[in-house]
Amino acid sequence: GQQVMQIPQYQHVQEGEDFTTYCNSSTTLSNIQWYKQRPGGHPVFLIQLVKSGEVKKQKRLTFQFGEAKKNSSLHITATQTTDVGTYFCAGPTAPLYGNKLVFGAGTILRVKS
Amino acid sequence: EAQVTQNPRYLITVTGKKLTVTCSQNMNHEYMSWYRQDPGLGLRQIYYSMNVEVTDKGDVPEGYKVSRKEKRNFPLILESPSPNQTSLYFCASSLRTASYNEQFFGPGTRLTVL
Repeated sequence: GQQVMQIPQYQHVQEGEDFTTYCNSSTTLSNIQWYKQRPGGHPVFLIQLVKSGEVKKQKRLTFQFGEAKKNSSLHITATQTTDVGTYFCAGPTAPLYGNKLVFGAGTILRVKS
Repeated sequence: EAQVTQNPRYLITVTGKKLTVTCSQNMNHEYMSWYRQDPGLGLRQIYYSMNVEVTDKGDVPEGYKVSRKEKRNFPLILESPSPNQTSLYFCASSLRTASYNEQFFGPGTRLTVL
């Protein structure tokens, strides 16, 4: 079945350093969503990318969707302690199979101040 | 306040004792789903529902049941829980389909099966 692979599994950075997490799908995605889960919390929607090659920014966060719509990345510039958490990407399965959402395993970000 | 609620938040039970985790949303969302979260595996979809009386299996449906008799409620039923169902469970809803729609997650239910 469709798989969404996410790397790295874990990253520990010094405050002020940059951070990137990558998401790769085994199939072409119609769109991709990104979520953040704070420690002890629930996933919270960050953004959705739909178009091939799309780039969106939210303050220090930059999201990209690959040209082939099979990969995506989230880049955080100058990390802060408030960025701590797990970042997930998620993509819908092929339209033929309706509305199942497949999540990557997530990247755990720890920020050392 | 727009939200997804789950109850209970924490549950410790024994093997074989039937249990139900409730989920309710007040946003008039059509789509609801259940996920389990395990370390290193991310969020895996158990069941989803496109609307009232319409449910379908996700990626890990074995050992679970769901029902959608009302639009706002989507309970998860474990008829005979086993230790491998010990996990953190999230209910989520969205306006319509999972595609192209932000998922709103509940606070989670941490289940331990002894």
